[in-house]
Order: sequence, then structure tokens, then C-alpha cells
Amino acid sequence: DTGVSQDPRHKITKRGQNVTFRCDPISEHNRLYWYRQTLGQGPEFLTYFQNEAQLEKSRLLSDRFSAERPKGSFSTLEIQRTEQGDSAMYLCASSLGTSKKETQYFGPGTRLLVL
Amino acid sequence: QKEVEQDPGPLSVPEGAIVSLNCTYSNSAFQYFMWYRQYSRKGPELLMYTYSSGNKEDGRFTAQVDKSSKYISLFIRDSQPSDSATYLCAMRTGRRALTFGSGTRLQVQP
Repeated sequence: DTGVSQDPRHKITKRGQNVTFRCDPISEHNRLYWYRQTLGQGPEFLTYFQNEAQLEKSRLLSDRFSAERPKGSFSTLEIQRTEQGDSAMYLCASSLGTSKKETQYFGPGTRLLVL
Repeated sequence: QKEVEQDPGPLSVPEGAIVSLNCTYSNSAFQYFMWYRQYSRKGPELLMYTYSSGNKEDGRFTAQVDKSSKYISLFIRDSQPSDSATYLCAMRTGRRALTFGSGTRLQVQP
């Protein structure tokens, strides 16, 4: 068990460009979450998947953001037409949702800087 | 007003001190309460998970939940320089999404 992994760890892009991040959850975890964290703040929920189904999306997830988990394993988060306000750490977490007391395990994050 | 309030610190203590970290919340529907530790430029790491009001102890860490006051605490005994990090409280209702506090930065001086 190598934990949740994210790629890339850092991304610098110019405003208007599209970026895509990947998250590989802990194997056999059926739930996968995306959060965004800005400097000095706690993570904010964006969306979550149970297997391949996207079950909840935050109002923070504008129409420029899209997330997929096509085979119920890894997930991608794409941001189209990036804006400077998108600069943040994007965190992925996974959990095994078999009980009420499920624990979300976080990856190291992808730090995005939009110039 | 944020649903979860947490003093951002920084909190500076000498090695060996007892540290008290706190969060207050406004949503009475929160049922599950967690404390995460986050080192600089790393992802959050779960420290404690509590469901009901009361205390839970794990090694040097004790988590307290007081649902009647909407107040949760984390105590760290015999603090070490390696405990220097940002501590995030998190909570959720029956839904899956976690709501985090803004984090308290702790510095333990050797």
C-alpha cells in the first residue's frame, strides 16, 4: 500500500491554458475526493466519486472544472481556461466506504500556479 | 460566518509543553470530527477521529468533543519539535464532504 499519489506535484501555467491533474487512490478504495486548498486556509471540498459515479459536486466546481473516474480507479481533474484565482493546492483523498466511520486519506497534492 | 472557526495562530510553545488546539462550529448536523496534521507543502494526515461527545486518547494525543457547546479540542502532551505543523480540524454530517477549519500553525521550540 503506497498511499494516495498525485501527479504532477507542481504545475506552472499561463492564464487561459488547460491543465489536467491525476490522482491514484489507495487500491480498493471505492471513494475518491478532490479538495482545493489556498494559502492559509483549510481544504475545501470540490467533488467526490463512488466507484466511477460522480455523486456530489460543490458550487466551487465551476463549469471550467471537470473530473472523471472512468474505471473506478484513478481520477483526473481538468481545469479549462485557467485563471489566476485557480492557483492553489489541489488535494485528492480516498476512502473505503464500508461504514459510517470512514477515513479519508490524502495525497501530497498538486500545487498549481497560474501566471 | 464560516461553519468552522479555528484560530490560525501561530502558536509557539517550548518542547515538553501541553498544547491545546480548538475549533468551534455552527452546524449542529456535524456528527463526525477529525484532526489532521499537515506539514509544509504536504497533504493532511489523519491524527484523530471521534464520533460522539467525550474524550478519545491515542498516545500523546487526546481529542475532545462537546456537541452541546459545538466545540472540539485536541491536546498534545509532551510536545516535540517534530509536532511543529499546521493542525486542521475537520468535520462532516452524514454526507461525505469534509468541512475544514483554516488550521492552526504550531511551532514547538527545542
